[in-house]
Amino acid sequence: GENVEQHPSTLSVQEGDSAVIKCTYSDSASNYFPWYKQELGKGPQLIIDIRSNVGEKKDQRIAVTLNKTAKHFSLHITETQPEDSAVYFCAATSSNTGRRALTFGSGTRLQVQP
Amino acid sequence: EAGVAQSPRYKIIEKRQSVAFWCNPISGHATLYWYQQILGQGPKLLIQFQNNGVVDDSQLPKDRFSAERLKGVDSTLKIQPAKLEDSAVYLCASSLDGITDTQYFGPGTRLTVL
Repeated sequence: GENVEQHPSTLSVQEGDSAVIKCTYSDSASNYFPWYKQELGKGPQLIIDIRSNVGEKKDQRIAVTLNKTAKHFSLHITETQPEDSAVYFCAATSSNTGRRALTFGSGTRLQVQP
Repeated sequence: EAGVAQSPRYKIIEKRQSVAFWCNPISGHATLYWYQQILGQGPKLLIQFQNNGVVDDSQLPKDRFSAERLKGVDSTLKIQPAKLEDSAVYLCASSLDGITDTQYFGPGTRLTVL
């Protein structure tokens, strides 16, 4: 089955700096890669996603890049703000079968220092 | 649009007791997932339903866990008997159909087994 590895486990940046979180996956059949933000006591919230036919996607301060050959994808947050502080999870799944369950990475705790 | 609802939000039980969790997905969403999230880890799939049928329950510990979605809407997840290692957050997620990949998560139920 799919295995997703995520780095780093913790990341501390100054407000206004950029943050980058990286993930690798093992199953070449995976073709959908979402990123979730989870705040304390809440469920994961989708912030951006990318499909395998696209190399990069951007939404305001957030961007995701995908390298299918190397099987890795990254989350980029620019101009970080204190409210970006949370745990971020990458995930992967294949749309080719009825089994759409997401395989998650282990999470990155991002702390933005004011 | 109302999100995924879950109850209770918190539950504390003694080992060997039974417990049940309830989930109401987003209206019209045919696919429902139950994930287990152990502290410090990413969510892991327990079971996936498409309408009221099971698509994937390969990771469900069937000797103690059971789940149902009788009318293709609400779902319940039951643990009987509970073990210490079942302490986790149980997340319910839903997606529109078996084709759309975007999954929306509820707030979760935090279970503590003493």
